[in-house]
Amino acid sequence: AQKVTQAQTEISVVEKEDVTLDCVYETRDTTYYLFWYKQPPSGELVFLIRRNSFDEQNEISGRYSWNFQKSTSSFNFTITASQVVDSAVYFCALGSGNTPLVFGKGTRLSVIA
Amino acid sequence: GAGVSQTPSNKVTEKGKYVELRCDPISGHTALYWYRQSLGQGPEFLIYFQGTGAADDSGLPNDRFFAVRPEGSVSTLKIQRTERGDSAVYLCASSLNSGRGLETQYFGPGTRLLVL
Repeated sequence: AQKVTQAQTEISVVEKEDVTLDCVYETRDTTYYLFWYKQPPSGELVFLIRRNSFDEQNEISGRYSWNFQKSTSSFNFTITASQVVDSAVYFCALGSGNTPLVFGKGTRLSVIA
Repeated sequence: GAGVSQTPSNKVTEKGKYVELRCDPISGHTALYWYRQSLGQGPEFLIYFQGTGAADDSGLPNDRFFAVRPEGSVSTLKIQRTERGDSAVYLCASSLNSGRGLETQYFGPGTRLLVL
């Protein structure tokens, strides 16, 4: 069965600090995709990134970066120089062609000014 | 263009009543998904439509829950004989094709359902 574990329930950082959100997944599929979504207080899930299982290159987008390591089944998300607007709940998710999208329980990030 | 829209944004009902939640996907998206999100949890899959047909309804908790998408666009999630445990945020998402967990799903703002 597919499973996503986000062990950090809540993280609090001071503005401008870097923060890494952990995501560990389990799957028997050889082809799968990993996703990160942001859920601000307004409630709407905002898509951040999609990564396929055959592409282990790290990705950087502005202050956001993602580290995908198949050897440890992890897909961690780092925010550099965090800002108050980054405060939200962040979800990691796993999907394949055979199964629906499975989400972790989320990590609540609070960035304090 | 317009994103996924959901109505109503909030719904309060009494135990035992019937409710309908509506989802209007992104124009041109063929796949539509319903999820339920309880407090402090991630979204949990309910049902997935490929066009007009339900391709996977394995996440529906029981036969009180039903969803339709008669014309392959707007979908309605129907809950009969609501129970207090049905209280949650119901999220709808759509994706361009029918790649299920392989495609990026774009989410609506959700309907917050409270059963008293």
